[in-house]
Formats: sequence, structure tokens, C-alpha cells
Amino acid sequence: QVQLVESGGGVVQPGGSLRLSCAASGFRFSNYGLHWVRQAPGKGLEWLTFIRYDGSMQYYADSVKGRFTISRDNSKNTLYLEMNSLRSEDTAFYYCAKDRGWELVHPAYFDFWGQGALVTVSS
Amino acid sequence: DIQMTQSPSSLSASVGDRVTITCQASQDIRDYLIWYQQKPGRAPKLLIYDASNLETGVPSRFSGSGSGTRFTFTISSLQPEDIATYYCQHYDSLPLTFGGGTRVEIK
Repeated sequence: QVQLVESGGGVVQPGGSLRLSCAASGFRFSNYGLHWVRQAPGKGLEWLTFIRYDGSMQYYADSVKGRFTISRDNSKNTLYLEMNSLRSEDTAFYYCAKDRGWELVHPAYFDFWGQGALVTVSS
Repeated sequence: DIQMTQSPSSLSASVGDRVTITCQASQDIRDYLIWYQQKPGRAPKLLIYDASNLETGVPSRFSGSGSGTRFTFTISSLQPEDIATYYCQHYDSLPLTFGGGTRVEIK
């Protein structure tokens, strides 16, 4: 079955950096786009970024554009999120999520999610 | 950006009750509307796609309807395991955005 397992969360100081990873299994990784979605504790969901199945295009929410970078390694079935210039408002659970569509060029919606990784930005 | 407005933000109902949640989009999103269920401490789960299509394995007491700007999500007979927060999400354009969520509790 589809599994997405995030890692790399933790506590970081404001202005610092962190890299999240998401190890995937149970589906043809190289044929699906992937997303990162976050949720501040007790708050709602916020879509952050999407990467096409082949890594050729990435899309970002304005709140993270220029600070976060999504990437993928199709040989390792792994998705990444590089987070720089972190702020207190970036404190959240970060979920990787699989897009529903086979080789879609535009992001759509999420049919499987990881369990989430907590990132806390605090001095 | 397309704003998704969900109502109510919370509700309390009895087991067996019919529960309805609405989601209003700030502009026409055709039927590009998704419903998720999120139980406490868990990741969201896909329930309904394209406004009215039930995801495989999801109980038939869940349903969705609507198109354009106004959408409805219904639980026909509330069960104890349905305690969760429900979110709508559009995918008409970027950025993808979610409604604020509806917390469903048992009375």
C-alpha cells in the first residue's frame, strides 16, 4: 500500500534552515506529482508547494516562495523540502502528499498523506 | 487567490443525525472541489473528489454535491467514528486553498 514517511523535523532558531525528507513506497513514484502541505498546531491546512512527476516544474505558495525549495530524487523515491530563513509563523506539522493524477502537469489534490513532521521555529 | 468559506466552523449532532456542511468559493471553480476528513492527531483522508465522487472504500453515508461556487457535504447518519474536522479544497487554479474546516462532535 502507499506509504509516505516524513523525517527531518525539529526545533530551529528564527532565520535558520531545515531540510525535510519524505520516503515513498507502494506506488510508481516517478509517475506522480507530490506536494507539501502544512498545518500550524490547532489550525487549518495550507498548501505550500508542488513538484511535477519528473521534477521539471515546481509551484509555490506566496508565503514560502523564495525561502522554500521542493525537490525530488526519483532514483531514491524521496521528496525533499529545503526550508531557509525560517520564521516563527512557519511552526507547523509538515505533510508530504501524493497527487491523484498520473503524470499530471498541474497540481490537483491529495489522495495519500504522510503522518507529518513537526517543525518548531523558536529561539 | 480563491477563498473557500466553510460553514459552520463547528457543529454538535446526535448519532444517526443528518449533518450538512457547506463550502462557498469566491469564484467559479466548476466541480474542482475536494472533501477531506481529519481525525485528531492524524493526517487528512480523501473522502470526496470532483464535488460528488466518493473515494473508493469510503462509506456511502458520506456524499457531496454542488458546482460553481456553492458546495455541500453530507453525512446521512452520523456515526461515532465520524468525529473529525472536515475540510474542503479547490483545485481550479493555483494556489490550492482549503476551507477553514468544520469540527464535528457528538452531542
